Amino acid sequence: GAGVSQSPSNKVTEKGKDVELRCDPISGHTALYWYRQSLGQGLEFLIYFQGNSAPDKSGLPSDRFSAERTGGSVSTLTIQRTQQEDSAVYLCASSLNPGRTDTQYFGPGTRLTVL
Amino acid sequence: AQSVTQLGSHVSVSEGALVLLRCNYSSSVPPYLFWYVQYPNQGLQLLLKYTSAATLVKGINGFEAEFKKSETSFHLTKPSAHMSDAAEYFCAVTPSGGSNYKLTFGKGTLLTVNP
Repeated sequence: GAGVSQSPSNKVTEKGKDVELRCDPISGHTALYWYRQSLGQGLEFLIYFQGNSAPDKSGLPSDRFSAERTGGSVSTLTIQRTQQEDSAVYLCASSLNPGRTDTQYFGPGTRLTVL
Repeated sequence: AQSVTQLGSHVSVSEGALVLLRCNYSSSVPPYLFWYVQYPNQGLQLLLKYTSAATLVKGINGFEAEFKKSETSFHLTKPSAHMSDAAEYFCAVTPSGGSNYKLTFGKGTLLTVNP
């Protein structure tokens, strides 16, 4: 079946611009996660959705970052006023249910470059 | 906070040789442990996971890992390396308590397989 998809695969933007990254989870998966992979910090958790609610936003690095999920499906991660340190690969994952026993399936990521 | 340490950011082996990738965790309570693989320009794929059942866990592509509580280790092995195993490998942990959906990753180990 279809896996997690993300778009765009690559995004180059200028410092100060806003960007939107999209994630389409596996159909029927109630839990959705965003992670960031950067050279300096490795893989970091950003935010977790259960349905359309985000009970854990603890990993969002600043108030320039926000995310939403609609219809219990598609999620969008928005970064406002991008900075060079935002350059990274943004990975989305989904799981059937939240919790440690459920495997998180990852998408291919969006590579963001801020010039 | 729980963490994982992967010893060796880069491991190089010959085709047909044993693969050993090291992972140690820090936790007062045995966590759930995972190994993920990332091929170039792709997302993360689960190789195997330890969920407090058998201590020797077999995964995909001939990989296995053994949970050793006394050594707080979860090393990944494969008896005979194949060229297609060249990738980056990440060890990850989820906490036993709250936020048990949140994967915490090691820094990763890049595996090179030489012909």
